Amino acid sequence: GAGVSQTPSNKVTEKGKYVELRCDPISGHTALYWYRQSLGQGPEFLIYFQGTGAADDSGLPNDRFFAVRPEGSVSTLKIQRTERGDSAVYLCASSPGGTGMNSPLHFGNGTRLTVT
Amino acid sequence: AQSVTQPDIHITVSEGASLELRCNYSYGATPYLFWYVQSPGQGLQLLLKYFSGDTLVQGIKGFEAEFKRSQSSFNLRKPSVHWSDAAEYFCAVGDRDGGSQGNLIFGKGTKLSVKP
Repeated sequence: GAGVSQTPSNKVTEKGKYVELRCDPISGHTALYWYRQSLGQGPEFLIYFQGTGAADDSGLPNDRFFAVRPEGSVSTLKIQRTERGDSAVYLCASSPGGTGMNSPLHFGNGTRLTVT
Repeated sequence: AQSVTQPDIHITVSEGASLELRCNYSYGATPYLFWYVQSPGQGLQLLLKYFSGDTLVQGIKGFEAEFKRSQSSFNLRKPSVHWSDAAEYFCAVGDRDGGSQGNLIFGKGTKLSVKP
């Protein structure tokens, strides 16, 4: 079946612009996660949704970053007033949900964001 | 705070040789432990995980890892490396005591090159 889909695969934007990154999780997966991977680093947790609500947004770096998942499926990560330091690969993952960590994460291929 | 250290940034091994990738973690108790692999342009794929029980865990693609509590380590091993194993490998820990399911702390990764 289809995996986690992220669009666009690449996004180049100018400093100060607004961007939206989209994630289509695996059908039926209730949990959705956003991570950010900077060059030479491992992924860093940003936000976690269980259904429509953000259950944990402790990883969002500042109030320029916001994410939504209005119908409990597709999620959009929104970045306002982009800065060059926001350049990274943004990864989305989904899992069937449930308790504990028995539900494995399925990652998308990521969106590479470049802020010029 | 939890942390993960992968001391080797880049390792090169010959095809057919054995492999060990090191991972050390810092956590107050026994965490959930994971190894992921990331091939160029691909999403992260789960190789194996440790939650409890037998400290030697088997994963996909012939990989295994051993949890050693006394050394706070979770090293990844493979007896005979194939050229297709060339990729970046990430060790990750998860919070056993709550928090979001997918709020993983990743190491910086070890890039594996395989020479013929």
